Amino acid sequence: GAGVSQSPSNKVTEKGKDVELRCDPISGHTALYWYRQSLGQGLEFLIYFQGNSAPDKSGLPSDRFSAERTGGSVSTLTIQRTQQEDSAVYLCASSLAGEEYGYTFGSGTRLTVV
Amino acid sequence: QKEVEQNSGPLSVPEGAIASLNCTYSDRGSQSFFWYRQYSGKSPELIMFIYSNGDKEDGRFTAQLNKASQYVSLLIRDSQPSDSATYLCAVTNSWGKLQFGAGTQVVVTP
Repeated sequence: GAGVSQSPSNKVTEKGKDVELRCDPISGHTALYWYRQSLGQGLEFLIYFQGNSAPDKSGLPSDRFSAERTGGSVSTLTIQRTQQEDSAVYLCASSLAGEEYGYTFGSGTRLTVV
Repeated sequence: QKEVEQNSGPLSVPEGAIASLNCTYSDRGSQSFFWYRQYSGKSPELIMFIYSNGDKEDGRFTAQLNKASQYVSLLIRDSQPSDSATYLCAVTNSWGKLQFGAGTQVVVTP
């Protein structure tokens, strides 16, 4: 596609429920990244995919967080048993090959856990 | 020490003046440097990248890189109210991972 597409744009969920966030990167971008941004805060790295593999999962805050990427394209970030501290904007970005090219970000998913 | 450091601001700039944003980084092996602009409630947008020492100009924006001093800056000439945003500095470290600074908020006052 023309840009990085994320869905849903907004998600309100009850504490304890599972949520899935979707990212569709720019066509041909092999690298895909997930970040989290809490209100007024900087970007927090979560996970990096090169193709379908995830060489860097170091930012996932707990085992409640997981992500997968299939077909070298769409990625899903899953948060199990959501907690209020998970409330944030979840941003996906993609790039050609590696990080030396800079990223294009999607518009994000605003997650609110009530 | 944070890997990428920026003043948080806010940096208040009169309309028409030059806004000067600074960024320092800790990894001497860093090779690629980026500036992103983030409007409130929006996602970051890449506005400049620079790989070599010196200046790189694009319209009203100039990125400056000094690898010896581990310093990268962004100048915004003829600042406009539409330039009011948070500007994020990002640097690839020596093993290729992109590190973001916390951002500098710029407020352009009419």
